[in-house]
Amino acid sequence: QQPVQSPQAVILREGEDAVINCSSSKALYSVHWYRQKHGEAPVFLMILLKGGEQKGHDKISASFNEKKQQSSLYLTASQLSYSGTYFCGTSKQSSGSARQLTFGSGTQLTVLP
Amino acid sequence: DVKVTQSSRYLVKRTGEKVFLECVQDMDHENMFWYRQDPGLGLRLIYFSYDVKMKEKGDIPEGYSVSREKKERFSLILESASTNQTSMYLCASCTGTGVQPQHFGDGARLSIL
Repeated sequence: QQPVQSPQAVILREGEDAVINCSSSKALYSVHWYRQKHGEAPVFLMILLKGGEQKGHDKISASFNEKKQQSSLYLTASQLSYSGTYFCGTSKQSSGSARQLTFGSGTQLTVLP
Repeated sequence: DVKVTQSSRYLVKRTGEKVFLECVQDMDHENMFWYRQDPGLGLRLIYFSYDVKMKEKGDIPEGYSVSREKKERFSLILESASTNQTSMYLCASCTGTGVQPQHFGDGARLSIL
């Protein structure tokens, strides 16, 4: 079942913060985050595993709340280069087929100067 | 720099034609994937391959087949193209221990008339 992302779109000014959520109706083992700029290939950002960990690099971080079956992506002090579509992929199992991974429809983030 | 290369960025074909989409990766990855990307639906897995000559159906394999004769090349074949196969097709790869795509090609936008 496809995870639900919110919001569908967000517009902010350079320097502002944003949060993108990815929710599932089923128990999750892992959450994967990607960013795709218009006309370009998606770029893998990070993977979070069951255990409620938080990860991040630079000013982009994410958390994974098992109980809520939700992950949140945090973009701090947004830069123009952060613009793009962010999407999550979720998996219910620790291993096995790639069929286990299902993707959200994406959140379009626009950072204005 | 690691690379997944899709040979065609834009293709226009007619209903009933046999269509080949080619993908080559230079990272010696075991796993390769074909997804289609449609607005509001997220990425959907068509087929994936975990080794040469090995393949497994994804969520939407109907109307498609694949070929992996060499480790670096994974081809998607539309046996008899139909208008509902108009979409963006993305190829991806990852190392043998993962089931999530890590490196994507730029995509092929296919229109079936």
